[in-house]
Amino acid sequence: DAKTTQPPSMDCAEGRAANLPCNHSTISGNEYVYWYRQIHSQGPQYIIHGLKNNETNEMASLIITEDRKSSTLILPHATLRDTAVYYCIVRVSGANSKLTFGKGITLSVRP
Amino acid sequence: DAGITQSPRHKVTETGTPVTLRCHQTENHRYMYWYRQDPGHGLRLIHYSYGVKDTDKGEVSDGYSVSRSKTEDFLLTLESATSSQTSVYFCAISDWKENTEAFFGQGTRLTVV
Repeated sequence: DAKTTQPPSMDCAEGRAANLPCNHSTISGNEYVYWYRQIHSQGPQYIIHGLKNNETNEMASLIITEDRKSSTLILPHATLRDTAVYYCIVRVSGANSKLTFGKGITLSVRP
Repeated sequence: DAGITQSPRHKVTETGTPVTLRCHQTENHRYMYWYRQDPGHGLRLIHYSYGVKDTDKGEVSDGYSVSRSKTEDFLLTLESATSSQTSVYFCAISDWKENTEAFFGQGTRLTVV
């Protein structure tokens, strides 16, 4: 699976949008971009995924560049409960492909 | 929340003893995974299963074995626990239909003394 690069940490103010970047310059055409987060020491939680179109759900939006070499996860109105480690993962389509985690980015939401 | 339960949630064991962790699901998902997480690392895949009696190794499989005799249970065994296996262990399940997500358990904190 292609590797991803994320900055180690970032912060944002409560109520503001949090924009989390991810680089995946070697992504292949059949690889999806997934985002998970891990709050404190809980199990990772799925947020969103996409292939090439922008995606939005009740939690976040995923913006993928046209060349697919990078993406941004947007939490539109960050709250203190969004403080977590966020993992950007690329995964080949197909059932036997696995999720390979990097170190992620630690988002700290400040009051 | 997906029906996935890990047991025990916490365990302290002595070096050299065997340990078995259990992952139980009620979702009838085909795929099950065991990860470990250590400070400074993301989650690393130990073993996974793609069906009953079908398992394969992940990136950190040395010292671990697994078994899956029925769809709902995936067991991780440390035959002879070592201090380097002190970690938090997470189980995950998925059926990957239409490339949807994997669901993770709450983790088992294992300490080997």
